[in-house]
Amino acid sequence: EAGVTQFPSHSVIEKGQTVTLRCDPISGHDNLYWYRRVMGKEIKFLLHFVKESKQDESGMPNNRFLAERTGGTYSTLKVQPAELEDSGVYFCASSHKTGSAETQYFGPGTRLLVL
Amino acid sequence: SQQGEEDPQALSIQEGENATMNCSYKTSINNLQWYRQNSGRGLVHLILIRSNEREKHSGRLRVTLDTSKKSSSLLITASRAADTASYFCATTTLNTNAGKSTFGDGTTLTVKP
Repeated sequence: EAGVTQFPSHSVIEKGQTVTLRCDPISGHDNLYWYRRVMGKEIKFLLHFVKESKQDESGMPNNRFLAERTGGTYSTLKVQPAELEDSGVYFCASSHKTGSAETQYFGPGTRLLVL
Repeated sequence: SQQGEEDPQALSIQEGENATMNCSYKTSINNLQWYRQNSGRGLVHLILIRSNEREKHSGRLRVTLDTSKKSSSLLITASRAADTASYFCATTTLNTNAGKSTFGDGTTLTVKP
């Protein structure tokens, strides 16, 4: 069974540009989460999809970030326009169902550098 | 301070020694998970311990959970150089059916050969 995959693995862009990150969860997992780790800080929750619906987007930093999960399969996270402080590692995770003992499986992350 | 704080922030030991990392949290949880992140790689899930469990083992890993103290520990026995990585604890609370995880800052473990 394939794990969570993310694309691209690295992205270097200039301030003001747009970047779109993609996450493919484990097949059959309804729950998809985005997290990010900004340099030197803890991993922070961004948002949670249940299938195609946004269950919780309380962690989204501002309206420059837009996440979608059309069809309830893969998800994209677009940053437009990117700012210097957006640099960091963006992780995606998926789980089969929401529950007290449900393991979240993480992807390898996308390393974003905004210059 | 943050939910899920690891202690120590950095730990350096010799191969063969045991490594103990601690995690404290502030709110009631449903489960606590430990993850490992090798440099430049993604997060690898190690162990999940439910709030009604006190101890779990997986190979050389032993996790304890003390909900009265709101703390957990990860013990790696007979450490190897390959155990060098950052270790994170993450707590999950069920609130309005959202299962998001809250991470600590992590402990950086260095195992010297």
